Amino acid sequence: SQQGEEDPQALSIQEGENATMNCSYKTSINNLQWYRQNSGRGLVHLILIRSNEREKHSGRLRVTLDTSKKSSSLLITASRAADTASYFCATDNSGGGNKLTFGTGTQLKVEL
Amino acid sequence: DGGITQSPKYLFRKEGQNVTLSCEQNLNHDAMYWYRQDPGQGLRLIYYSQIVNDFQKGDIAEGYSVSREKKESFPLTVTSAQKNPTAFYLCASTNGGTGAYEQYFGPGTRLTVT
Repeated sequence: SQQGEEDPQALSIQEGENATMNCSYKTSINNLQWYRQNSGRGLVHLILIRSNEREKHSGRLRVTLDTSKKSSSLLITASRAADTASYFCATDNSGGGNKLTFGTGTQLKVEL
Repeated sequence: DGGITQSPKYLFRKEGQNVTLSCEQNLNHDAMYWYRQDPGQGLRLIYYSQIVNDFQKGDIAEGYSVSREKKESFPLTVTSAQKNPTAFYLCASTNGGTGAYEQYFGPGTRLTVT
């Protein structure tokens, strides 16, 4: 089963613009993680936010978590062509087992 | 140079044949995972192992089998019982225990069954 649903499914922006992706999930979580996947490659971890945290930053990335709405957002500021990839949220609700449930992903295209 | 390796990158098999996908890690991670990804979809968990000689079914285990005889290795066998085996298979690992840890992924194996 896929717990997370990303919105939008696809996003196309110009270089330098900000990109915002949203993730909604269904059950309570221990933490939520965002991953990036370039076409045909493995996933790369971007950021992890715990259930008791509301916002986290890492470089040009900003993640928010609203557990009351069961949603998270990933903001990429000043996007670059190299940010073109698919982005997935993943929730850990396994009670310490580090078992992740992935969403369906947002395909981001950053054009020059 | 630490990481996770998967081999081969591309694999072609005839229907009715079993095939084994390799996953090796030298990160000293306790937990390892196998996911399946279909075009335009997210990842679905097939099997996972939190410690050597132990593994659990994920959401879509039917038609698959695994073993965990060594900490570094977690091979996945796609059996002939798997109805739609053509997919992109990803292996991941992480520290075990009760903390919150990111997963490290291998480059994937693309399996095509005809």
